[in-house]
Order: sequence, then C-alpha cells, then structure tokens
Amino acid sequence: DTEVTQTPKHLVMGMTNKKSLKCEQHMGHRAMYWYKQKAKKPPELMFVYSYEKLSINESVPSRFSPECPNSSLLNLHLHALQPEDSALYLCASSQDSQASSYEQYFGPGTRLTVT
Amino acid sequence: GEDVEQSLFLSVREGDSSVINCTYTDSSSTYLYWYKQEPGAGLQLLTYIFSNMDMKQDQRLTVLLNKKDKHLSLRIADTQTGDSAIYFCAEKVLRGNTPLVFGKGTRLSVIA
Repeated sequence: DTEVTQTPKHLVMGMTNKKSLKCEQHMGHRAMYWYKQKAKKPPELMFVYSYEKLSINESVPSRFSPECPNSSLLNLHLHALQPEDSALYLCASSQDSQASSYEQYFGPGTRLTVT
Repeated sequence: GEDVEQSLFLSVREGDSSVINCTYTDSSSTYLYWYKQEPGAGLQLLTYIFSNMDMKQDQRLTVLLNKKDKHLSLRIADTQTGDSAIYFCAEKVLRGNTPLVFGKGTRLSVIA
C-alpha cells in the first residue's frame, strides 16, 4: 500500500477564517512533506518533517503553520490567508528524508480557494 | 544548486512511442524520478533511476540516463489516451538534507 490520503479534497475559505488541512499515511514512513502547487507549475516545497520534527521550512509565511502530531499524521493550519494562497496543496511521505532510496509518495491534494 | 529542465509540450498519436526529455545540472550522486500528474490529481511516482545506472525498464516505461550529457529520458511504448498527463522529472541529490527538485513538467497529449 503506497497511499497517502488528504482531507478535505476541496476547501473554500475567507481571508479571516481558520482552517486545517490533514494528511495521513500508514506506510511507516518517517518523513512527511507539504508542497504548494499553482496551476501549470511544479510543486514547491513548503515544509519537511523528519521523525516528527520540522527539518525544513522554506521561508513560508507564518499564516501557514504545520503540525506533526505523530508519525502517521501531518496537518497544515491556515489563518488569515490571501487570495494568492489559492493553490493545490500536496502532502507527500517517504521512508526517510535522507535515505538512499528516496521514493516520495504524494497524496491527491487539497484544492484551496481563498476568497 | 540543482536545476532541472524539460520541454513543455509533447503530442503523439495513440499507439506511437512517446519520449519525454529532461536535463539536470548536478553531477553528484543522485536519484532521478519521473512523476505523472493527471488533471486535478496528485503526483504518481512512475519510476526512478540512480545515477550509476544507464537504463531501467518497467513494462511500457523505459528510462535512459546519459550521465556525460546529464540527460534523462522517459520512453512510453504504445502510448494510450490514458497516458495524457503532465510528466515531471525530479532530482534528489544525495548530499545532506537536500530537497527534491522538480522540472517544470511536460504536458503529453495523446491523439486518438
């Protein structure tokens, strides 16, 4: 099973709302990632958690707040977003962030629209 | 830093072979990946190759790596309409905690 699940599939939120995106994997992977993807562009890395600790933060604005409650779950808390934050948010996982075989598996994404 | 380049579009007829090309810049030990993304979906890992290999075949997919030219290709044999998607080449350099670097993606259109 190489499945990464994400909820919700779609989310529409206003600029004053607080919402959360959720990601789950049961492959025993110890690295989890959040990416942002705009239309017709490649994914852009936002955060990396390795063994439940934040190891990479690619200068993401503080209105995005990641959380890793346990090795299977990854959340992205959203607050006071801007319309330009509208995008597809992808979660991914891999065995290890530095393992020699670095197969990264992606979830289906959450399509976020900020109004 | 790493840079990954791809052509943006490719159009082929159903039943023909498709060849999607990618170039990368880092000559360190690296893994190179091909991902497929259908409209509105996440990225599906198709295959990958380590930089000490020349070729890898998996059913209809053949990956060729030219290390001298830093050129990677993905050949899809007997292309079907279901292969229409964006294909991303990505590189992971095995040096420290470096992230996966994606190319801009090649949009493959298959004409019936």
